[in-house]
Amino acid sequence: EAAVTQSPRNKVTVTGGNVTLSCRQTNSHNYMYWYRQDTGHGLRLIHYSYGAGNLQIGDVPDGYKATRTTQEDFFLLLELASPSQTSLYFCASSDGTGRNQAPLFGEGTRLSVL
Amino acid sequence: GDSVTQTEGPVTLSEGTSLTVNCSYETKQYPTLFWYVQYPGEGPQLLFKVPKANEKGSNRGFEATYNKEATSFHLQKASVQESDSAVYYCALSTASLGKLQFGTGTQVVVTP
Repeated sequence: EAAVTQSPRNKVTVTGGNVTLSCRQTNSHNYMYWYRQDTGHGLRLIHYSYGAGNLQIGDVPDGYKATRTTQEDFFLLLELASPSQTSLYFCASSDGTGRNQAPLFGEGTRLSVL
Repeated sequence: GDSVTQTEGPVTLSEGTSLTVNCSYETKQYPTLFWYVQYPGEGPQLLFKVPKANEKGSNRGFEATYNKEATSFHLQKASVQESDSAVYYCALSTASLGKLQFGTGTQVVVTP
């Protein structure tokens, strides 16, 4: 069964803290995405990747780094967390791009930066 | 750039009534159009997608027609149930876009 698994599901950190969000997909998909979800803004793309070692910048990349270590694993790094990064984060994977994609989403990680 | 505009929520309605969530889009390319649904505590999931103009997509009683002339993709359901309470997202993608462009989402609340 196709799956995207995120960890942790909840995270609390302090301003200036270091946070890593993890995502693993078992779908053999080439494409993986990190989104943040905020009221009034919907889903906004942070970073995405076409494969291991590849990284593409999304629409709201400031303050975030990402790394795709394998086809399965995609990480989002917040090296100096700020309260503005308090949000619900979703990872997704897709077997296509452009008009052929239909990303499959994980269940989300809720991050609070105090 | 590409953009998607949809009905601002929340939309509150009673069980058994009809639902319409408006979606309009802007792009200079030929898009594929999507509706995603997000239930509380879950990630968004694909409701359906329509890659061709003038065709209709449907799933679970929901439907939407890709209207290229009006640049619209309105979501409709004839008779809603309490279990349809969720956030609905309209989105588009194009050949050159390596991502989905989402609207801001519409929360739908169905009361018994």
